[in-house]
Amino acid sequence: DGGITQSPKYLFRKEGQNVTLSCEQNLNHDAMYWYRQDPGQGLRLIYYSQIVNDFQKGDIAEGYSVSREKKESFPLTVTSAQKNPTAFYLCASTQGAATNEKLFFGSGTQLSVL
Amino acid sequence: AQRVTQPEKLLSVFKGAPVELKCNYSYSGSPELFWYVQYSRQRLQLLLRHISRESIKGFTADLNKGETSFHLKKPFAQEEDSAMYYCALSPISGGYNKLIFGAGTRLAVHP
Repeated sequence: DGGITQSPKYLFRKEGQNVTLSCEQNLNHDAMYWYRQDPGQGLRLIYYSQIVNDFQKGDIAEGYSVSREKKESFPLTVTSAQKNPTAFYLCASTQGAATNEKLFFGSGTQLSVL
Repeated sequence: AQRVTQPEKLLSVFKGAPVELKCNYSYSGSPELFWYVQYSRQRLQLLLRHISRESIKGFTADLNKGETSFHLKKPFAQEEDSAMYYCALSPISGGYNKLIFGAGTRLAVHP
């Protein structure tokens, strides 16, 4: 079953703790993205990666970090510096990085603070 | 500033009625525009994009540069159209796929 797999589905973070959200794709896509979704707001871009070993900050990168060591994997770490981490996180990918490419989305991870 | 505005949080119609989900954008250049949809318990997925000039599931959207709008329309709504709809803009500059999403409109089609 091809697609994007995000895990876990639900994640709880304690104060001062770093947590990592997993995103794996078997679509052989070059580009991957992390979006944050808050109630009543659209999706906002956190980080994106056009190619392995390269990634760029999106609009709201503060308090987050990523890595892209493998083409199929793009984990997102929510650090303790992110003061308002409670949100729904979506990972996505595109075959290339052109501006009109179709985004393929994962099913998301809901992160909550204990 | 680049922005996508969907003025309605919820649009409620009866089956068979026409539907228009509004989307306005602000962008100084020529944007590429998309509609994404999320059905209940499914992933967010592409519905249509303006460059394709296509009709998907009976939906169409026309880019109106004068009014900076990209409204999504369907002449006769079906119950299975009930979903969350997001309008998105891709700036041409930058050379990468950086979509700017609106806040979304929930469409509820009643029998």
